Amino acid sequence: EVKLLESGGGLVQPGGSLKLSCAASGFDFSRYWMSWVRQAPGKGLEWIGEINPDSSTINYTPSLKDKFIISRDNAKNTLYLQMSKVRSEDTALYYCARGAAYYRYLFAYWGQGTLVTVSA
Amino acid sequence: DIVLTQSPASLAVSLGQRATISCRASQSVSTSSYSYMHWYQQKPGQPPKLLIKYASNLESGVPARFSGSGSGTDFTLNIHPVEEEDTATYYCQHSWEIPWTFGGGTKLEIK
Repeated sequence: EVKLLESGGGLVQPGGSLKLSCAASGFDFSRYWMSWVRQAPGKGLEWIGEINPDSSTINYTPSLKDKFIISRDNAKNTLYLQMSKVRSEDTALYYCARGAAYYRYLFAYWGQGTLVTVSA
Repeated sequence: DIVLTQSPASLAVSLGQRATISCRASQSVSTSSYSYMHWYQQKPGQPPKLLIKYASNLESGVPARFSGSGSGTDFTLNIHPVEEEDTATYYCQHSWEIPWTFGGGTKLEIK
């Protein structure tokens, strides 16, 4: 069974940094593109970016490119999202998502999300 | 970026009737063979679930009362007959180019 478990969320001050993790199990993590998607409270979904299996290609939503860094450790089956210079509008539930086989943009599997709250 | 505009933002449909949700893209997301538009369902407190891919192809396990159609810039998700368990917010998402983007969502209530 595919499982994705995000962690690392919490309260962070404006201008601060935070690193989120997503532990994957139940599939060969090293073979799949992975994405981060966020959802502000009561709002819609926003795709942050994706990383390919060997980390050679990382794509971001342009407006968020300077704020987030996506990385992965295939030996640890873990995906990461480094957040920096956070602002109140970064308050959201952060999901990691796995694409379907051969189709990285079809988000067939999601974690439950980790909540990041930006507040002084 | 391709902007996806969903309508309506919310709707209430009587049990057993039809729900129709629209998604309009700011540019075409279709070729002669495929439409790169997908639909998700998100129930309260849960992550999204992929329902339909490439405009009209139901994901495995999705009930046949869900259907999708459209091409170019205009796409539709239909649910008929609606059931209580269909109460959720529905999102369209394109995969034409980076960045992938989602519509703003349509909240469905069953009367």
